[in-house]
Amino acid sequence: NAGVTQTPKFQVLKTGQSMTLQCAQDMNHEYMSWYRQDPGMGLRLIHYSVGAGITDQGEVPNGYNVSRSTTEDFPLRLLSAAPSQTSVYFCASSPIVQNQPQHFGDGTRLSIL
Amino acid sequence: GENVEQHPSTLSVQEGDSAVIKCTYSDSASNYFPWYKQELGKGPQLIIDIRSNVGEKKDQRIAVTLNKTAKHFSLHITETQPEDSAVYFCAGEGDYKLSFGAGTTVTVRA
Repeated sequence: NAGVTQTPKFQVLKTGQSMTLQCAQDMNHEYMSWYRQDPGMGLRLIHYSVGAGITDQGEVPNGYNVSRSTTEDFPLRLLSAAPSQTSVYFCASSPIVQNQPQHFGDGTRLSIL
Repeated sequence: GENVEQHPSTLSVQEGDSAVIKCTYSDSASNYFPWYKQELGKGPQLIIDIRSNVGEKKDQRIAVTLNKTAKHFSLHITETQPEDSAVYFCAGEGDYKLSFGAGTTVTVRA
């Protein structure tokens, strides 16, 4: 069982570059989400999706885009990378039924120079 | 939105002693409170959760208590072991959105 798979594990970008962080889950979960983790701030929700074709903003959405064309995949796009987006990014998924634990990937460590 | 505060930020305990982490939340509509453990280089892993219709839940050496009136919940780890050393996060969920505390770095001294 792969669970939630994130690629790449590490990435270094220059300011202004764009890139896509990949997230895939094989548990047939309807709910998927993206978080960023910064020192001393826990995890903050960027965007989430309750099913294919449906996305919504979280707490810190600026500078990020998402789409959900399939149940399995939920990519996160940085349109024009900024140093403030240096962080560790986690993708998570869960069944759409409320009050269910979210399953996390192992993260993408992103540095913007 | 929900605001979750977590204390302490660091906790050092002697092996075999107990560890307690406390969290408060702001949104009275939140009804699900998971706790996650994060080891270095890994994503958060659920260790225990509690729903708003329950005041306490226990799983071997780990227990969680919830006081909805006071809007606080706590994680208790008894008989700590070196493998309990990690970062622990509390979270509150309302309307499918998880809000996390800032985390507690627990170090178990041998």
